[in-house]
Amino acid sequence: EAAVTQSPRNKVAVTGGKVTLSCNQTNNHNNMYWYRQDTGHGLRLIHYSYGAGSTEKGDIPDGYKASRPSQENFSLILELATPSQTSVYFCASGEREGDTEVFFGKGTRLTVV
Amino acid sequence: GDSVTQMQGQVTLSEDDFLFINCTYSTTWYPTLFWYVQYPGEGPQLLLKVTTANNKGISRGFEATYDKRTTSFHLQKASVQESDSAVYYCVLGHNAGAKLTFGGGTRLTVRP
Repeated sequence: EAAVTQSPRNKVAVTGGKVTLSCNQTNNHNNMYWYRQDTGHGLRLIHYSYGAGSTEKGDIPDGYKASRPSQENFSLILELATPSQTSVYFCASGEREGDTEVFFGKGTRLTVV
Repeated sequence: GDSVTQMQGQVTLSEDDFLFINCTYSTTWYPTLFWYVQYPGEGPQLLLKVTTANNKGISRGFEATYDKRTTSFHLQKASVQESDSAVYYCVLGHNAGAKLTFGGGTRLTVRP
C-alpha cells in the first residue's frame, strides 16, 4: 500500500513567521506534489518535483518555496506566512507522468493568525 | 493551459437515487481523466481512470465515460448509498508532464 505521511497534521503560525510543512513517501515514486485545498477552489497545485534536487512551480507558487532533498522527502516552505495562506495542504506522490495514479497524504491544516 | 470545470458544487440525493456529476475539460494534449473521491479527514484517492484508448472506466459501481467530441467526462452511479457521501473531483492529466489539474469538486450528500 502506497504511503505518504505529512507532518505536522495541524499547525498554528503567526503572521510573518516561517512555516515548514514536511512530506515523506515510502513508495519510491519520482514525482511529488504540494496542493492546497480551499472551499470553492478544489485542489490547486503549488509546487511539484520530478525527483531529488528538482522543484517546479505549479499554478499558485507565489509566497511558497519547495525543497526536495531526497527521493523520499518534499517540503513546502512559507518564508513569511500570511493569513491568506490559511488552508489545508496536501502532499502527494506519483510514479511518473500525469497519466498515472497519485497517492495523497492525510493533509496538514495550517492556520495563520 | 489545462482546465477542468465541475458546475455542481453540491448534490443531495436519497439512497437508491441515480447519480450524475458533470465534468468538462480543456487541454491541448491527449488527456488521461480521473475521478478522485475524498472522504472526511482523508486525502483524495483514486476512484477510476480513463484514457483515450479505453474511453470508459468502472469501479465500485461508478462509471465514467470520456467523450472527445464534447470534451466531457461525466460520473454516474445507478443507485447511491449513504456511504457514497464524499467530495468527488474530476482530474485531468497527460503524459507530457507531471501536472494534474483538479476541478472544483462536487460534494455529494446521500440521505438514508
